[in-house]
Amino acid sequence: AQSVTQLGSHVSVSEGALVLLRCNYSSSVPPYLFWYVQYPNQGLQLLLKYTSAATLVKGINGFEAEFKKSETSFHLTKPSAHMSDAAEYFCAVSYGGNEKLTFGTGTRLTIIP
Amino acid sequence: DTAVSQTPKYLVTQMGNDKSIKCEQNLGHDTMYWYKQDSKKFLKIMFSYNNKELIINETVPNRFSPKSPDKAHLNLHINSLELGDSAVYFCASSLATYEQYFGPGTRLTVT
Repeated sequence: AQSVTQLGSHVSVSEGALVLLRCNYSSSVPPYLFWYVQYPNQGLQLLLKYTSAATLVKGINGFEAEFKKSETSFHLTKPSAHMSDAAEYFCAVSYGGNEKLTFGTGTRLTIIP
Repeated sequence: DTAVSQTPKYLVTQMGNDKSIKCEQNLGHDTMYWYKQDSKKFLKIMFSYNNKELIINETVPNRFSPKSPDKAHLNLHINSLELGDSAVYFCASSLATYEQYFGPGTRLTVT
Protein backbone atom coordinates (compact mmCIF):
# COMPACT_ATOMS: atom_id res chain seq x y z
CA ALA A 1 0.00 0.00 0.00
CA GLN A 2 1.17 3.48 -0.76
CA SER A 3 1.97 5.90 2.03
CA VAL A 4 3.98 9.00 2.79
CA THR A 5 5.81 9.98 5.95
CA GLN A 6 6.51 13.57 6.81
CA LEU A 7 9.30 13.95 9.33
CA GLY A 8 8.68 16.79 11.74
CA SER A 9 5.18 17.92 12.55
CA HIS A 10 6.51 21.41 13.29
CA VAL A 11 9.39 23.21 11.59
CA SER A 12 10.55 26.72 12.48
CA VAL A 13 12.94 28.73 10.35
CA SER A 14 14.09 32.32 10.42
CA GLU A 15 12.96 34.70 7.73
CA GLY A 16 15.44 34.50 4.85
CA ALA A 17 16.71 31.05 5.86
CA LEU A 18 16.44 27.81 3.90
CA VAL A 19 13.19 25.90 4.20
CA LEU A 20 13.45 22.09 4.12
CA LEU A 21 10.36 19.96 4.67
CA ARG A 22 10.89 16.23 4.50
CA CYS A 23 8.73 13.61 2.81
CA ASN A 24 9.46 9.94 2.26
CA TYR A 25 7.18 7.68 0.30
CA SER A 26 6.45 4.00 0.24
CA SER A 27 5.02 2.64 -2.96
CA SER A 28 5.25 -0.67 -4.79
CA VAL A 29 4.86 1.05 -8.16
CA PRO A 30 6.24 4.33 -9.49
CA PRO A 31 4.44 7.01 -7.52
CA TYR A 32 3.06 10.37 -8.38
CA LEU A 33 3.97 12.83 -5.65
CA PHE A 34 2.55 16.18 -4.65
CA TRP A 35 3.07 18.97 -2.18
CA TYR A 36 0.06 20.97 -1.08
CA VAL A 37 -0.06 24.03 1.17
CA GLN A 38 -2.92 24.94 3.49
CA TYR A 39 -3.16 28.44 4.90
CA PRO A 40 -5.27 28.91 8.05
CA ASN A 41 -8.97 28.30 7.46
CA GLN A 42 -8.45 27.72 3.76
CA GLY A 43 -8.44 24.83 1.32
CA LEU A 44 -5.42 23.06 -0.09
CA GLN A 45 -3.40 24.66 -2.85
CA LEU A 46 -1.11 22.62 -5.09
CA LEU A 47 2.51 23.72 -4.78
CA LEU A 48 4.09 21.24 -7.17
CA LYS A 49 3.85 17.72 -8.53
CA TYR A 50 6.11 14.90 -9.71
CA THR A 51 4.65 12.65 -12.41
CA SER A 52 7.75 10.77 -13.69
CA ALA A 53 9.13 13.55 -15.83
CA ALA A 54 11.98 15.71 -14.51
CA THR A 55 13.17 14.69 -11.05
CA LEU A 56 13.67 18.31 -9.97
CA VAL A 57 10.29 19.96 -9.89
CA LYS A 58 9.72 23.67 -9.56
CA GLY A 59 6.51 24.94 -8.10
CA ILE A 60 4.81 28.14 -7.13
CA ASN A 61 6.06 30.72 -4.62
CA GLY A 62 9.71 29.73 -5.14
CA PHE A 63 9.35 26.17 -3.84
CA GLU A 64 10.93 23.16 -5.45
CA ALA A 65 11.27 19.46 -4.71
CA GLU A 66 13.56 16.70 -5.89
CA PHE A 67 12.42 13.14 -6.47
CA LYS A 68 15.12 10.72 -5.29
CA LYS A 69 14.22 7.14 -6.01
CA SER A 70 17.25 5.73 -4.20
CA GLU A 71 16.20 7.51 -1.03
CA THR A 72 12.42 7.22 -1.65
CA SER A 73 12.23 10.92 -0.86
CA PHE A 74 10.52 14.01 -2.20
CA HIS A 75 11.69 16.82 0.09
CA LEU A 76 10.37 20.35 -0.36
CA THR A 77 12.79 23.27 -0.30
CA LYS A 78 12.83 27.03 -0.65
CA PRO A 79 16.10 28.98 -0.55
CA SER A 80 14.80 31.94 1.43
CA ALA A 81 11.80 31.82 3.74
CA HIS A 82 9.24 34.60 3.73
CA MET A 83 6.74 35.40 6.44
CA SER A 84 3.93 34.54 4.02
CA ASP A 85 5.21 30.93 3.84
CA ALA A 86 3.84 30.19 7.30
CA ALA A 87 1.26 27.46 6.75
CA GLU A 88 0.63 23.71 6.93
CA TYR A 89 2.33 21.65 4.22
CA PHE A 90 1.16 18.24 3.08
CA CYS A 91 2.97 15.66 1.01
CA ALA A 92 0.73 13.27 -0.91
CA VAL A 93 1.07 10.24 -3.17
CA SER A 94 -1.14 8.61 -5.76
CA TYR A 95 -0.85 5.90 -8.37
CA GLY A 96 -1.96 8.11 -11.20
CA GLY A 97 -4.65 10.14 -12.81
CA ASN A 98 -7.98 10.25 -11.00
CA GLU A 99 -6.67 8.05 -8.22
CA LYS A 100 -7.09 8.99 -4.57
CA LEU A 101 -4.45 11.01 -2.83
CA THR A 102 -2.89 9.52 0.29
CA PHE A 103 -1.63 12.33 2.50
CA GLY A 104 1.12 12.60 5.03
CA THR A 105 0.34 13.95 8.47
CA GLY A 106 1.42 17.47 7.57
CA THR A 107 4.17 19.82 8.71
CA ARG A 108 3.40 23.18 10.22
CA LEU A 109 5.94 25.74 9.08
CA THR A 110 6.55 28.74 11.32
CA ILE A 111 8.65 31.66 10.16
CA ILE A 112 10.57 33.56 12.81
CA PRO A 113 10.99 37.29 12.09
CA ASP B 1 -14.01 32.51 -11.47
CA THR B 2 -13.06 28.93 -12.30
CA ALA B 3 -12.84 26.94 -9.10
CA VAL B 4 -14.18 24.29 -6.81
CA SER B 5 -16.83 25.75 -4.54
CA GLN B 6 -18.55 24.32 -1.49
CA THR B 7 -21.60 25.36 0.48
CA PRO B 8 -21.98 26.00 3.30
CA LYS B 9 -18.58 27.07 4.62
CA TYR B 10 -19.65 26.49 8.21
CA LEU B 11 -22.27 24.09 9.47
CA VAL B 12 -23.25 23.80 13.12
CA THR B 13 -25.88 21.23 14.01
CA GLN B 14 -27.02 18.90 16.75
CA MET B 15 -26.50 15.19 17.08
CA GLY B 16 -29.05 13.14 15.25
CA ASN B 17 -29.76 15.69 12.56
CA ASP B 18 -29.36 15.12 8.81
CA LYS B 19 -27.32 17.60 6.77
CA SER B 20 -25.94 18.04 3.27
CA ILE B 21 -22.85 19.70 1.86
CA LYS B 22 -22.79 20.75 -1.76
CA CYS B 23 -19.83 20.92 -4.11
CA GLU B 24 -19.57 22.33 -7.60
CA GLN B 25 -16.65 22.62 -9.97
CA ASN B 26 -16.52 24.60 -13.21
CA LEU B 27 -13.11 23.36 -14.29
CA GLY B 28 -14.49 20.81 -16.74
CA HIS B 29 -13.10 17.95 -14.65
CA ASP B 30 -14.57 14.47 -14.78
CA THR B 31 -13.63 13.16 -11.35
CA MET B 32 -14.67 14.56 -7.99
CA TYR B 33 -13.74 13.58 -4.44
CA TRP B 34 -14.67 14.06 -0.81
CA TYR B 35 -11.93 14.18 1.82
CA LYS B 36 -12.27 14.51 5.58
CA GLN B 37 -9.76 16.48 7.66
CA ASP B 38 -9.90 15.71 11.36
CA SER B 39 -8.95 17.89 14.30
CA LYS B 40 -5.30 16.85 13.95
CA LYS B 41 -5.28 18.01 10.33
CA PHE B 42 -5.13 14.46 8.98
CA LEU B 43 -6.69 14.19 5.52
CA LYS B 44 -8.34 11.04 4.28
CA ILE B 45 -10.28 10.16 1.15
CA MET B 46 -13.93 9.27 1.61
CA PHE B 47 -15.39 8.94 -1.88
CA SER B 48 -14.68 9.68 -5.50
CA TYR B 49 -16.91 9.81 -8.56
CA ASN B 50 -15.87 9.63 -12.19
CA ASN B 51 -18.49 10.77 -14.71
CA LYS B 52 -21.19 10.34 -12.06
CA GLU B 53 -20.05 6.80 -11.24
CA LEU B 54 -18.78 5.90 -7.76
CA ILE B 55 -15.21 4.60 -8.05
CA ILE B 56 -13.81 4.96 -4.54
CA ASN B 57 -15.73 4.23 -1.38
CA GLU B 58 -13.44 4.01 1.60
CA THR B 59 -14.53 2.58 4.93
CA VAL B 60 -17.04 5.29 5.64
CA PRO B 61 -20.20 4.71 7.74
CA ASN B 62 -23.37 4.14 5.75
CA ARG B 63 -24.70 7.36 7.23
CA PHE B 64 -22.60 9.16 4.63
CA SER B 65 -24.05 9.08 1.15
CA PRO B 66 -22.55 10.93 -1.81
CA LYS B 67 -24.64 11.91 -4.78
CA SER B 68 -23.45 13.15 -8.14
CA PRO B 69 -26.27 14.56 -10.28
CA ASP B 70 -23.80 15.46 -13.03
CA LYS B 71 -20.05 15.70 -13.63
CA ALA B 72 -19.87 19.19 -12.15
CA HIS B 73 -21.55 18.42 -8.84
CA LEU B 74 -20.88 16.08 -5.96
CA ASN B 75 -22.95 16.42 -2.82
CA LEU B 76 -22.47 14.75 0.53
CA HIS B 77 -25.45 13.84 2.67
CA ILE B 78 -24.95 12.78 6.27
CA ASN B 79 -27.68 11.11 8.30
CA SER B 80 -27.95 10.90 12.07
CA LEU B 81 -24.96 13.11 12.75
CA GLU B 82 -22.62 12.11 15.57
CA LEU B 83 -20.07 14.09 17.57
CA GLY B 84 -17.26 12.25 15.78
CA ASP B 85 -18.42 13.62 12.44
CA SER B 86 -17.13 17.04 13.43
CA ALA B 87 -14.37 17.83 10.94
CA VAL B 88 -13.57 19.86 7.86
CA TYR B 89 -14.84 18.27 4.67
CA PHE B 90 -13.07 19.08 1.43
CA CYS B 91 -14.31 18.55 -2.07
CA ALA B 92 -11.78 18.18 -4.88
CA SER B 93 -11.78 17.54 -8.62
CA SER B 94 -9.35 16.34 -11.29
CA LEU B 95 -9.14 15.54 -15.00
CA ALA B 96 -6.76 12.58 -15.30
CA THR B 97 -3.84 15.00 -15.02
CA TYR B 98 -2.99 13.69 -11.58
CA GLU B 99 -3.33 16.91 -9.63
CA GLN B 100 -6.48 17.54 -7.68
CA TYR B 101 -7.96 20.95 -7.05
CA PHE B 102 -9.58 21.51 -3.69
CA GLY B 103 -12.51 23.57 -2.53
CA PRO B 104 -12.33 25.89 0.49
CA GLY B 105 -13.75 23.29 2.86
CA THR B 106 -16.86 22.99 5.02
CA ARG B 107 -16.31 23.04 8.77
CA LEU B 108 -18.92 20.79 10.34
CA THR B 109 -19.49 21.07 14.08
CA VAL B 110 -21.84 18.62 15.74
CA THR B 111 -22.99 19.54 19.25
